[in-house]
Amino acid sequence: GDSVTQTEGLVTLTEGLPVMLNCTYQSTYSPFLFWYVQHLNEAPKLLLKSFTDNKRPEHQGFHATLHKSSSSFHLQKSSAQLSDSALYYCALSLSSSNTNKVVFGTGTRLQVLP
Amino acid sequence: EAAVTQSPRNKVAVTGGKVTLSCNQTNNHNNMYWYRQDTGHGLRLIHYSYGAGSTEKGDIPDGYKASRPSQENFSLILELATPSQTSVYFCASGETGKQDTQYFGPGTRLLVL
Repeated sequence: GDSVTQTEGLVTLTEGLPVMLNCTYQSTYSPFLFWYVQHLNEAPKLLLKSFTDNKRPEHQGFHATLHKSSSSFHLQKSSAQLSDSALYYCALSLSSSNTNKVVFGTGTRLQVLP
Repeated sequence: EAAVTQSPRNKVAVTGGKVTLSCNQTNNHNNMYWYRQDTGHGLRLIHYSYGAGSTEKGDIPDGYKASRPSQENFSLILELATPSQTSVYFCASGETGKQDTQYFGPGTRLLVL
C-alpha cells in the first residue's frame, strides 16, 4: 500500500548550516507529495507541495524535488535559521482516493541551535 | 486563509466516560478529517467525511465514532474513553482534489485518567 517514510526523528544543526530532511514514499500510482510544518503549540500547515510538471516548489527558502526514480521528496534549505525549528511532516496524497486523503510520515523534528 | 476551529482546546476525562470533540470550518470545504498526533507515530487518520451526513473510517477508527451533521461541523466521539486515547487531536478540512491542501485546526489536548 501507499506509505511515507521519514527516517530521522530528530535533526539538530547549527544556524547557518544547510538542512536536508529525508522523505521516501511508496505509491501505487502517480504520486503527489506535501511537506507540512508544525511549530511548537501550533497546528500543522502546508509548507510546500509537488507540482505535476517538473517545477521545483519553494517556500520560505525551503525547496523539495520529486524524484520518481528514487521515490523521494527530500526537503532542503541552504541555510538554517533559528525560526526553522519545528516538526516537519512529509505526506503523500493517496492516488486511489477521491477524498484528498493523505498519509503522513512519522515526522522529523528540526532543532536549530545558535 | 482557511479557518478551522476546535473545542474544547483542553479536556480531562475519566476512564469509561464519554468525550465529544467538536470541529467547525467556515470555508465550505467538502472534506473533513480527524487525526491524532502521538510522538513516534505522527498524524494518524481516525475518521473522515466527504460531506454532510457521511463518515468514513480512517486508519485507526477503533474506539471512535464520528458525526457530520452539516458542511461546517464534524465531531469525534469517544463513547468509552480509555487512557490509551490520551493524545492531541487535530481536525482538518480540504477540497477533494489530490493536490489540495488540508487546513488544520489548533488541536485538542485530551487526557484520560
